[in-house]
Amino acid sequence: GAGVSQTPSNKVTEKGKYVELRCDPISGHTALYWYRQSLGQGPEFLIYFQGTGAADDSGLPNDRFFAVRPEGSVSTLKIQRTERGDSAVYLCASSFLSGTSGGAQQFFGPGTRLTVL
Amino acid sequence: GDSVTQMEGPVTLSEEAFLTINCTYTATGYPSLFWYVQYPGEGLQLLLKATKADDKGSNKGFEATYRKETTSFHLEKGSVQVSDSAVYFCALSDLGAAGNKLTFGGGTRVLVKP
Repeated sequence: GAGVSQTPSNKVTEKGKYVELRCDPISGHTALYWYRQSLGQGPEFLIYFQGTGAADDSGLPNDRFFAVRPEGSVSTLKIQRTERGDSAVYLCASSFLSGTSGGAQQFFGPGTRLTVL
Repeated sequence: GDSVTQMEGPVTLSEEAFLTINCTYTATGYPSLFWYVQYPGEGLQLLLKATKADDKGSNKGFEATYRKETTSFHLEKGSVQVSDSAVYFCALSDLGAAGNKLTFGGGTRVLVKP
């Protein structure tokens, strides 16, 4: 079946602009995660959705970052007034959570490479 | 908070050499442990995992054992191939944390030469 998809694959924008990054999770996966991977580093957690609600947004760096998942499937990460420091690869992952299983596998998308000039 | 520390790369090996990548962690709870791999031009893929102490995860000739006493999850492979060239990430998911979010190490780049 289809995996996690993300669009666009690359986004170049200018400082101060607004961007939206889209994630299509695996069908039936109730949990959705956003991570940010800066060059040469490991991914860092941003936000987690269970269904339509953001259950944990503790990783969002500031109020310029916002994410939605209105119908419990597709999610959009929104960044306002972009800064050069926002340049990174933004990864989306989904999983089918079962109870409180800590081993539930997260499936990652290919990422969106955001470059802020 | 939770954290993962893994050895810095790059690690350069010859084909058929033995590979070890060290990984240690700190966690407030009782985490599950993972190794993810990122091949050139591809997305993150789960390589193996272990969910409790003394569990051994294995896949594609790679192994890692969950060592609670040393808070470690070192990755090993006995005989690497050129196709194993990739970036390897150690990660944990703290059981009980909302949504089992992953905390990653910084990654270790491995280059296997023929």
